[in-house]
Amino acid sequence: GAVVSQHPSRVICKSGTSVKIECRSLDFQATTMFWYRQFPKKSLMLMATSNEGSKATYEQGVEKDKFLINHASLTLSTLTVTSAHPEDSSFYICSAERTESYGYTFGSGTRLTVV
Amino acid sequence: GENVEQHPSTLSVQEGDSAVIKCTYSDSASNYFPWYKQELGKRPQLIIDIRSNVGEKKDQRIAVTLNKTAKHFSLHITETQPEDSAVYFCAASIGNDMRFGAGTRLTVKP
Repeated sequence: GAVVSQHPSRVICKSGTSVKIECRSLDFQATTMFWYRQFPKKSLMLMATSNEGSKATYEQGVEKDKFLINHASLTLSTLTVTSAHPEDSSFYICSAERTESYGYTFGSGTRLTVV
Repeated sequence: GENVEQHPSTLSVQEGDSAVIKCTYSDSASNYFPWYKQELGKRPQLIIDIRSNVGEKKDQRIAVTLNKTAKHFSLHITETQPEDSAVYFCAASIGNDMRFGAGTRLTVKP
């Protein structure tokens, strides 16, 4: 149980275009989802906390207009990287908090390459 | 906010030996401490966790200890195997706010 599906797993896009990443909780409802960014050989950096039905809470230094987060339902959160640039290339991972416990489950991650 | 420090950054052990990874946290209100294992290019997987009302927890070859007074917690892996090679992250959380350590790259040599 507690599976989080993340798509796409890999995406290559051109500079200036936008990319949407989806994170779905398949067998539980997630009122809260989290988006992380991970650089090679580095730890997970929290970008924002996504709350169902309300605006996301962004960490300091994360541009909310560049990284658009939408959490429209209890099972789906999306991260849109707008006007992507090569420096946005990274591994993006979502996680969802199971409402009935403290447990966090991670998505499989999305490797974004901006060329 | 919470600050989590993790040591060492790299650890190499011989198969069969034990491995210990240590983390410290800054916010005494943190009440949940999970450990994740991440293989190259894959998602972090929860391997063990401990809550602030418990001092020690064990699951087969893996154990975690928590010292609330000193604000540090440790992961212990006994009888290491090559498949234990991965990056391990500790984390500390208060409610929804989870912060990760920088990670430890564990290499188990056959």
